[in-house]
Amino acid sequence: EDKVVQSPLSLVVHEGDTVTLNCSYEVTNFRSLLWYKQEKKAPTFLFMLTSSGIEKKSGRLSSILDKKELFSILNITATQTGDSAVYLCAVYSGGGADGLTFGKGTHLIIQP
Amino acid sequence: DTGVSQDPRHKITKRGQNVTFRCDPISEHNRLYWYRQTLGQGPEFLTYFQNEAQLEKSRLLSDRFSAERPKGSFSTLEIQRTEQGDSAMYLCASSSLTTPLARSSYEQYFGPGTRLTVT
Repeated sequence: EDKVVQSPLSLVVHEGDTVTLNCSYEVTNFRSLLWYKQEKKAPTFLFMLTSSGIEKKSGRLSSILDKKELFSILNITATQTGDSAVYLCAVYSGGGADGLTFGKGTHLIIQP
Repeated sequence: DTGVSQDPRHKITKRGQNVTFRCDPISEHNRLYWYRQTLGQGPEFLTYFQNEAQLEKSRLLSDRFSAERPKGSFSTLEIQRTEQGDSAMYLCASSSLTTPLARSSYEQYFGPGTRLTVT
């Protein structure tokens, strides 16, 4: 059974801090890993990673994948209160159920 | 707005009643997914369609659940004889499968969800 584990489950930091969110996975026939941001609504897409060692970057957010060690990290620099959300990691394996397998998410709170 | 839409956004029903939700995907997307999300958990895959064909069903989808996508456009998810354990957010997502290795095929775009409360 595919498994995605995120850590920490919750994190409270001050505005301006840098945070690193972790995602490890065990899946058959790995295809891609995706990061989503979820506020009080549906998840919104952030990144999709398919190759090891290639950093994806969007503004203050960046992510990288290690397919050998089976994990990914999501970095947020110079955090702002608007970054407060649940960050979900999901893996598409292409085997068994064809949907995404999600982790439980990291609940990030940015204090002013 | 050309995103994924879902209707209704909220539904309160009594145990034992049937409910039906609708999802309208992004118009050019041929893949449509249903997920269920409970508090403190990530979304859990339920089923997906490629065009009108239902290609996969999770074991989470009991016999009381049925989904259709009759013309390959919108989809409906029906829950019969609802139970309190069915209370959750039901999310719909869509993606575009152009070729088997197309980058865009794995980027799923989510709708706002239908929050179901069974009393």
